[in-house]
Amino acid sequence: EDKVVQSPLSLVVHEGDTVTLNCSYEVTNFRSLLWYKQEKKAPTFLFMLTSSGIEKKSGRLSSILDKKELSSILNITATQTGDSAIYLCAVEARMNTGFQKLVFGTGTRLLVSP
Amino acid sequence: ETGVTQTPRHLVMGMTNKKSLKCEQHLGHNAMYWYKQSAKKPLELMFVYNFKEQTENNSVPSRFSPECPNSSHLFLHLHTLQPEDSALYLCASSQGGLATYEQYFGPGTRLTVT
Repeated sequence: EDKVVQSPLSLVVHEGDTVTLNCSYEVTNFRSLLWYKQEKKAPTFLFMLTSSGIEKKSGRLSSILDKKELSSILNITATQTGDSAIYLCAVEARMNTGFQKLVFGTGTRLLVSP
Repeated sequence: ETGVTQTPRHLVMGMTNKKSLKCEQHLGHNAMYWYKQSAKKPLELMFVYNFKEQTENNSVPSRFSPECPNSSHLFLHLHTLQPEDSALYLCASSQGGLATYEQYFGPGTRLTVT
């Protein structure tokens, strides 16, 4: 059965700290790994990592895919209170039909205190 | 705004009621998805439509009935629900087809079954 595990489940840091969130997976027919940020309702897309793009960076956020270890990390440097959210990791697998499906982890709840 | 809208945003219904959730995407995508998000559990994929055709039914009880009249609209019809069906229901869309694309989520409908 396809599975995505995130750690830690929750994390409290002070503004300015650097955090690393972890994601590991066991998925057949792996295609890509995605990170989302969920603040109130709608998860918003952050990064997609594939075999051809194993490292992505956007401002203070960066992510690396380790296909050998079947894992990924999401780094946030110089954290701000606005970074407080649930960070979701999802892995794209393929259904028997060939179409895409995402398998999600439970998320890491990050709280950045002032 | 992600280009995916959902109505209603909140819904309280009794176990004998019939209601429908609506999702609309303005992104020109060809795939649409329903997910269920319960507390402390990963997002659970419920249904997938590609080019208006249902391509996945993830063992969802028949009291949930999806409908996809066109590539821009997706409905989830609800009847005789149980209290354990209370959750956040998220709709998402993606480019669809066999390639790899990120999914964009709507704000969700918070459903409470009394």
